[in-house]
Amino acid sequence: TQLLEQSPQFLSIQEGENLTVYCNSSSVFSSLQWYRQEPGEGPVLLVTVVTGGEVKKLKRLTFQFGDARKDSSLHITAAQPGDTGLYLCAGARNYGQNFVFGPGTRLSVLP
Amino acid sequence: KAGVTQTPRYLIKTRGQQVTLSCSPISGHRSVSWYQQTPGQGLQFLFEYFSETQRNKGNFPGRFSGRQFSNSRSEMNVSTLELGDSALYLCASREQGANTEAFFGQGTRLTVV
Repeated sequence: TQLLEQSPQFLSIQEGENLTVYCNSSSVFSSLQWYRQEPGEGPVLLVTVVTGGEVKKLKRLTFQFGDARKDSSLHITAAQPGDTGLYLCAGARNYGQNFVFGPGTRLSVLP
Repeated sequence: KAGVTQTPRYLIKTRGQQVTLSCSPISGHRSVSWYQQTPGQGLQFLFEYFSETQRNKGNFPGRFSGRQFSNSRSEMNVSTLELGDSALYLCASREQGANTEAFFGQGTRLTVV
């Protein structure tokens, strides 16, 4: 059983569409991170959220941390082919503990 | 600054053999973590080294081991390889604590035949 669940597992959309991917857990996290991994590369950190209810924006990407700090969402506006990749969420239950990764959402944006 | 460097990029080994993978972290980073990534299990934490000491360990058998040198470079070793050890092995470097940003290398793709 995964500590972190991500949905959907796969997503294929057309360029210009909006999408939301989710990261859920029954556990509370002190902080949560989102990464994007492209084929043949290691994951690259997009954002870290630490406060329940926190919303962070990174250009067309909007990240939200749930009020109870058990879940998070990533919304992409007007998706582009360059957004294609594996989106991973990772949570740390306590400060100093290593992050546990979810299984990821594989996004494909078609031109 | 140079990024995290992992060598080799690709490796093919036979069951029963052992393998050593190398990771050079970003200059000044003292924490190195190792992860195994497979399609079925995703990214799983192996262990973390900080200042030459293992600080955290995941749930992997004793066949998986690692070490860190005084220059922060790290190696991980897998003995008595099994087919199920085929995976992408990723190394992540951090400045200090586990909650700081992790910078990943490109990984070593290990195939066990």
